[in-house]
Amino acid sequence: DVKVTQSSRYLVKRTGEKVFLECVQDMDHENMFWYRQDPGLGLRLIYFSYDVKMKEKGDIPEGYSVSREKKERFSLILESASTNQTSMYLCASSLTQDRELFFGEGSRLTVL
Amino acid sequence: SQQGEEDPQALSIQEGENATMNCSYKTSINNLQWYRQNSGRGLVHLILIRSNEREKHSGRLRVTLDTSKKSSSLLITASRAADTASYFCATDHSGYSTLTFGKGTMLLVSP
Repeated sequence: DVKVTQSSRYLVKRTGEKVFLECVQDMDHENMFWYRQDPGLGLRLIYFSYDVKMKEKGDIPEGYSVSREKKERFSLILESASTNQTSMYLCASSLTQDRELFFGEGSRLTVL
Repeated sequence: SQQGEEDPQALSIQEGENATMNCSYKTSINNLQWYRQNSGRGLVHLILIRSNEREKHSGRLRVTLDTSKKSSSLLITASRAADTASYFCATDHSGYSTLTFGKGTMLLVSP
């Protein structure tokens, strides 16, 4: 079974802190994605990556950056966390064909 | 926006009843997928139906696709309390790099 592991289920950070959310997949998938999920807004794509060292902006990239130095790992970085970045963050991976997504368990971030 | 729209937003039924959720979209698709999300957890892929398919089954799940109406439905038969979750449709559109998710239907199955 494909496993997508997100490093932290729950995080509490202060405004202005730098935040790293880590995601690792074990099935050699080319594609990796970061979404945030907020009540009433559904899933919104932040960034995605089709290959190592490649990244593409999603619908809401402002305030975020990403890093993909190895195929299995895709990191989401909040350079200076703000309260409006309090959310559930979901990482996913997929093979190119059909684009079926495999999600991690999510990281719930609270910024105080 | 290409975003799919699920209907209803929320559905409450008794165990043993069938649950039907609908998804509509605006432009042509390559495939449509359904996902389930238990409260506070990640999404789990349930089923994928391609644009040239009309119906697909997986266990107690039945998905239909009507490309002329740009809509899909997910039927869960003989619902169980464990089916309580949010259900999302996601569409794969030609010319778009990623899936587009709807806002989901929240299903509550009471014992």
